Amino acid sequence: DARVTQTPRHKVTEMGQEVTMRCQPILGHNTVFWYRQTMMQGLELLAYFRNRAPLDDSGMPKDRFSAEMPDATLATLKIQPSEPRDSAVYFCASGLDRVREQYFGPGTRLTVT
Amino acid sequence: ILNVEQSPQSLHVQEGDSTNFTCSFPSSNFYALHWYRWETAKSPEALFVMTLNGDEKKKGRISATLNTKEGYSYLYIKGSQPEDSATYLCAFLPNYYGGSQGNLIFGKGTKLSVKP
Repeated sequence: DARVTQTPRHKVTEMGQEVTMRCQPILGHNTVFWYRQTMMQGLELLAYFRNRAPLDDSGMPKDRFSAEMPDATLATLKIQPSEPRDSAVYFCASGLDRVREQYFGPGTRLTVT
Repeated sequence: ILNVEQSPQSLHVQEGDSTNFTCSFPSSNFYALHWYRWETAKSPEALFVMTLNGDEKKKGRISATLNTKEGYSYLYIKGSQPEDSATYLCAFLPNYYGGSQGNLIFGKGTKLSVKP
């Protein structure tokens, strides 16, 4: 049963610290998405990769967030420095292409104090 | 700015009731519509992907219809059960426009609670 995995599942950190979240997409999926869930906005897209190339990161605050796919089995989302307003659940999803259904990981719950 | 609206925001029904909710999206630049089911403390799971006007999809007691000309989709649940309690999200996928890649735009969801 293929699944998207994310680590860590929970992260509590202090303001100003660097946070790295990791995602392993389903093998064979060539599109990877990072979303943030907030009460106000619901699910908002932060970054989108196809065949490991970043295609859209317009939803990401560029000064502190960065997303990469060093290889086909790993996507990372980094926040440096973190701020309390970054507290949210971050989901990674993968899919066969941008049209078909997306498969979501369990999420990383981030709390920045 | 492309907007996806879902109504109602929340719904409380009794076990055995049938229910439906609405997703409204821009009728221009349509490419696809997704429905996801999101249980509390879990992650969204895909229900349907719909691409053609007039499409109707069914999975067990859940079905969905699509009207791309007027920009809406309905999700129906027949004979609701407590295990149907979840938030139902729709997401609109626009055509590529300008230089954008046109990614999924999610609505805020309809939260369904089914009482035994």
